[in-house]
Amino acid sequence: DTGVSQNPRHKITKRGQNVTFRCDPISEHNRLYWYRQTLGQGPEFLTYFQNEAQLEKSRLLSDRFSAERPKGSFSTLEIQRTEQGDSAMYLCANNEQFFGPGTRLTVL
Amino acid sequence: EDQVTQSPEALRLQEGESSSLNCSYTVSGLRGLFWYRQDPGKGPEFLFTLYSAGEEKEKERLKATLTKKESFLHITAPKPEDSATYLCAVQAFGGATNKLIFGTGTLLAVQP
Repeated sequence: DTGVSQNPRHKITKRGQNVTFRCDPISEHNRLYWYRQTLGQGPEFLTYFQNEAQLEKSRLLSDRFSAERPKGSFSTLEIQRTEQGDSAMYLCANNEQFFGPGTRLTVL
Repeated sequence: EDQVTQSPEALRLQEGESSSLNCSYTVSGLRGLFWYRQDPGKGPEFLFTLYSAGEEKEKERLKATLTKKESFLHITAPKPEDSATYLCAVQAFGGATNKLIFGTGTLLAVQP
């Protein structure tokens, strides 16, 4: 257990629905990342926060995706109008050493 | 473009049979190279960070080495509990973040 928690652990939704994931990091680390991982692939970078500031967004992050980190604490990742291609494991990381267990999203 | 290639894609070993996993990388300027272990359905578990060519790090049966173009993860006398996917990632200098660029991993199976 790295101390980084993610909720929910699993989410099944229908195409077109909105979903929101939460990441609770280890409080003393100010760098927070979101990655996406599909089966048989390595994680791909989505976005990065330093404290509450979102400093970089991957081109993978379409306008249907939004992330926030209010007050530099927990972070949320929202996907609007989900598509089947959004099915993946969504990982949160507190700097490079501490990854959360991930949220597995299945879009039907 | 920064890139990481891992080989082999899958490796099956007998318990006690030592071997090495390869991670080749192309990066504009290497800040660090990371190795992780990932069990099915879980997040990556950090193993090592290497920063410069010639550097080596060890942890139990694992030893990671780094050159200017590749890194090796040596597994000595593996046990079935070492079975997992091993991921390599690089972090480059420059840009606003320290984002990691991952390879696709090596799936290791150690049979008793």
